[in-house]
Amino acid sequence: GAVVSQHPSWVICKSGTSVKIECRSLDFQATTMFWYRQFPKQSLMLMATSNEGSKATYEQGVEKDKFLINHASLTLSTLTVTSAHPEDSSFYICSATEAGATDTQYFGPGTRLTVL
Amino acid sequence: AQSVTQPDIHITVSEGASLELRCNYSYGATPYLFWYVQSPGQGLQLLLKYFSGDTLVQGIKGFEAEFKRSQSSFNLRKPSVHWSDAAEYFCASTDSWGKFQFGAGTQVVVTP
Repeated sequence: GAVVSQHPSWVICKSGTSVKIECRSLDFQATTMFWYRQFPKQSLMLMATSNEGSKATYEQGVEKDKFLINHASLTLSTLTVTSAHPEDSSFYICSATEAGATDTQYFGPGTRLTVL
Repeated sequence: AQSVTQPDIHITVSEGASLELRCNYSYGATPYLFWYVQSPGQGLQLLLKYFSGDTLVQGIKGFEAEFKRSQSSFNLRKPSVHWSDAAEYFCASTDSWGKFQFGAGTQVVVTP
């Protein structure tokens, strides 16, 4: 149980284009989803927290207009990197907490984004 | 503010030997503590967690961790490592708002 999937697992795009990453909770309802960014050989950096049906809460220094987060249902959250640039290349990981059990986060497998 | 420290960036251990990864936390109250493992290019897998109760926690893959309040530590141990245990290990804690704070990670290399 408590499986989180991400799609795509990797994506290559041209500079200036937008990329959408999906995060799904497969066997539970996720009231809260989190988006992290991880640089090579570094820890995870929380970008934003999203609750179903409401606006995401962004961490300091994260551009909300560049990283658009939508959490339209209890099983799906999306992260759209708008007007991507090479410096946006990174490993993006989402996680989700189950309704009624918010103490543990279950992580997706991650999405490798490469911007050329 | 809470923080999590993993003092060892890199550990090399022989297959079959024991492993201990250190984790120290800084938080006013008793935090919820976690250990995750990440294989290259993969997401994080939960090994174990501590919320309250018995301070020795058993996890998956033969791992265990011990919460020591006096030392503000939550060290991860495994009696005998396997080559498949080579990975990055992250200690994490949450505050009362559920926001995770991750340590910097410890890279474990297993030699034959």
